[in-house]
Amino acid sequence: LAKTTQPVSMDSYEGQEVNITCSHNNIATNDYITWYQQFPSQGPRFIIQGYKTKVTNEVASLFIPADRKSSTLSLPRVSLSDTAVYYCLVGEPGGGNKLTFGTGTQLKVEL
Amino acid sequence: NAGVTQTPKFHILKIGQSMTLQCTQDMNHNYMYWYRQDPGMGLKLIYYSVGAGITDKGEVPNGYNVSRSTTEDFPLRLELAAPSQTSVYFCASWDRGRREKLFFGSGTQLSVL
Repeated sequence: LAKTTQPVSMDSYEGQEVNITCSHNNIATNDYITWYQQFPSQGPRFIIQGYKTKVTNEVASLFIPADRKSSTLSLPRVSLSDTAVYYCLVGEPGGGNKLTFGTGTQLKVEL
Repeated sequence: NAGVTQTPKFHILKIGQSMTLQCTQDMNHNYMYWYRQDPGMGLKLIYYSVGAGITDKGEVPNGYNVSRSTTEDFPLRLELAAPSQTSVYFCASWDRGRREKLFFGSGTQLSVL
């Protein structure tokens, strides 16, 4: 199983760019990297997924270096509503992965 | 589509009692998961299923049982409830053909007193 390591918490201010890095040293060849966002009292929801290089969607970018041993979620111009816990998840069901989450990163955005 | 539906949303259980948390999905997903989340902590995998009739243990299976008789339903059974099982329980499903998204239910907040 690909174990992930993330910072426990991060603080930012509205309008700034936030980068959250996840380490996954034993990522397997077939594993994808997926990030989820969780607000209090809600289930996590999908943000972005990638395999290598860079992926961008309407809410975030995901940067993955060539060795794929880490990944960085980039949130441009955060707002108060981005205050949440962010999880990095590595693997896919078809590979027999049990889809275990790490501890996540608590992002707090202030005015 | 309703997605992943969990019932009940809240429940208080007495020590030693048993109950079943219900989870249903209408997306015809093969893979389903049960997680628990203690206050201020991350998600811990309890059990998962890769299809009807097939289940396997996750990280923290003790005190729980599951069954998967249909593609849609994946109930979680708590036997002889203990205070340590006070937590929020999330059910999720994933379609292997659409790896991008793990769909979560809204959770069941369970207190064992």
